[in-house]
Amino acid sequence: AQSVTQPDIHITVSEGASLELRCNYSYGATPYLFWYVQSPGQGLQLLLKYFSGDTLVQGIKGFEAEFKRSQSSFNLRKPSVHWSDAAEYFCAVGPPSNTGKLIFGQGTTLQVKP
Amino acid sequence: EADIYQTPRYLVIGTGKKITLECSQTMGHDKMYWYQQDPGMELHLIHYSYGVNSTEKGDLSSESTVSRIRTEHFPLTLESARPSHTSQYLCASSRDRVTYEQYFGPGTRLTVT
Repeated sequence: AQSVTQPDIHITVSEGASLELRCNYSYGATPYLFWYVQSPGQGLQLLLKYFSGDTLVQGIKGFEAEFKRSQSSFNLRKPSVHWSDAAEYFCAVGPPSNTGKLIFGQGTTLQVKP
Repeated sequence: EADIYQTPRYLVIGTGKKITLECSQTMGHDKMYWYQQDPGMELHLIHYSYGVNSTEKGDLSSESTVSRIRTEHFPLTLESARPSHTSQYLCASSRDRVTYEQYFGPGTRLTVT
């Protein structure tokens, strides 16, 4: 079955430390890949996306993600975390079946220590 | 910046009441979606629409219904609210099914007492 897995439910990092959030997917072909961020009580905001081409994509707020086909992964990274980055992060995939439907992972809650 | 709006933002209502959650977008997007999200959990697609007069059920079974009479408007209705309907409801839209990129509204947090 098609699936998206975010192995880490909760991550705590110190402000200024680097961050990596993991995302793995299970599909027959390479899907479209997204990372969204959700602040408490808010909707989702798109951080970055990968459709094709360069496997390292840059997003907003200093985030980047790397697509690794061999590992079926699309991990999100940030070199130096700010307290305002504390939020819920969702990885999502769009299966290449032209339906436009996204499938979301379970989310990772990021806590930032001062 | 995406222009997609949801009202109300918060709603507390008693069991058995009929409610309609509003969602509007000003981007002219053909595709619209409703997701249900329990606290700390992933999003589950409950309804979607490819355009006017087109509605489909999503991956998660829901007792709600939707309509799409105008491109910009995609309301969700619960005929008889129950405590099990307590959740956050997120509306989203996208330009077309090819790009998959979805823009989200701020959500409606529904509590049924």
